[in-house]
Order: sequence, then structure tokens, then C-alpha cells
Amino acid sequence: GENVEQHPSTLSVQEGDSAVIKCTYSDSASNYFPWYKQELGKGPQLIIDIRSNVGEKKDQRIAVTLNKTAKHFSLHITETQPEDSAVYFCAAVPSLRGSQGNLIFGKGTKLSVKP
Amino acid sequence: DSGVTQTPKHLITATGQRVTLRCSPRSGDLSVYWYQQSLDQGLQFLIQYYNGEERAKGNILERFSAQQFPDLHSELNLSSLELGDSALYFCASSRDSAAYNEQFFGPGTRLTVL
Repeated sequence: GENVEQHPSTLSVQEGDSAVIKCTYSDSASNYFPWYKQELGKGPQLIIDIRSNVGEKKDQRIAVTLNKTAKHFSLHITETQPEDSAVYFCAAVPSLRGSQGNLIFGKGTKLSVKP
Repeated sequence: DSGVTQTPKHLITATGQRVTLRCSPRSGDLSVYWYQQSLDQGLQFLIQYYNGEERAKGNILERFSAQQFPDLHSELNLSSLELGDSALYFCASSRDSAAYNEQFFGPGTRLTVL
């Protein structure tokens, strides 16, 4: 089945710097890759997603890139702010028949933005 | 607020017991997903229901079962509980079962097995 690896597990940056989180996946047929942000005591929340027919997608300070050949995708956060501090999860939707929507998550990256 | 509600927020019970976790999806959402979050395993998919029918299964233990009712709320039943079942259990919902639909997560139920 699909397996998603995420790095780094922790990331500390200075306010205003950029942060990059990388993920790799194993199932070459996977075609949807969302990113979730989880704040303390809350459930994960979708922040951006990308489909396999697109190489890059931006939404204000966040962007995601996808390299289907290498089977990896990355989250880029620019001009980081203290409120960006949270745990970020990458995910992939496996292509197995019947598994039409369940997410396979990476282990998460705890991002700390220091003022 | 995602619009997904989960009860109870916290649950403390003993090994060998059985508990039921409840989830109400967002209004209009037909698909419900259950996930388990623990420190060592991370966020793991358990099971998906769509409009009352089981749609996909993950690494869900045989001691665990779920169902989705006609009013679309869902329950996750955990029986013969073990210490290792202590975790956060999240319910998520989406408009339908398509892979591209955003999943909205509830606040979770924290289960502690003593």
C-alpha cells in the first residue's frame, strides 16, 4: 500500500524566514496530495492541496510543488509568522480500488517560528 | 470550527472495556472517515463510510467496528480495550467519497485506557 515519508520531524525558523517541508510517496498511481495544519488541541485543517496534473500551486504565503517522476512533494511557507507554528502533515490518497478518499499521512513536522 | 462534532471530548476507561465514540458530520456531507492519532503511529486511517455503507478500510483492528446511521452520524465502537488503544480519535467528513474533496476534521476524542 501507499507509504508517505515526511522530513524534517521538527523545524525551527526565525520569524520572516522561509520554511520547507518535504514528503515522498511510494504509490506512483497516487494523484492527490493535500497538506494539513494541526494546532494544539485541534483537528487537522487543510491548508493547500495539489493534484498530479499540476506541478506547483500557490496560495498567498504558502506553495506546494510536486515532482511525479521522483514521487516527492514539498510545502513552502514564506515570510513565516508566529501563528504559523503548528504541526504540518502531508498526505496522499492511495489508488487502491475502493480506497477513494482515505488519506495516508506522513508522520508530521512540528514547525516553530521564533519572534 | 469545522462543523464536525465529536463526543465525548475525553474518555477514560479500563482495559477490557468497550466504548463508543460519536461523530456528526457537517451538514450535507455524506462521507465520514475515522482516524487514530498516536505518538508512535501518527495519523492512521481506520475506516470510511459513504451514505451509510462502508467504503474503505485501513488498519482497523477486529476489536474495532463502526457504522453510519440514516441521519449520517457515525459511531466508532472499540471493544476489549488495551493500553495501546489510548490515542486521539478523529472523525472527518467530506461532501462525497471522491478523493479530491476536502476532509473536515472534528476536534477529536481523547481516549485514555488505564
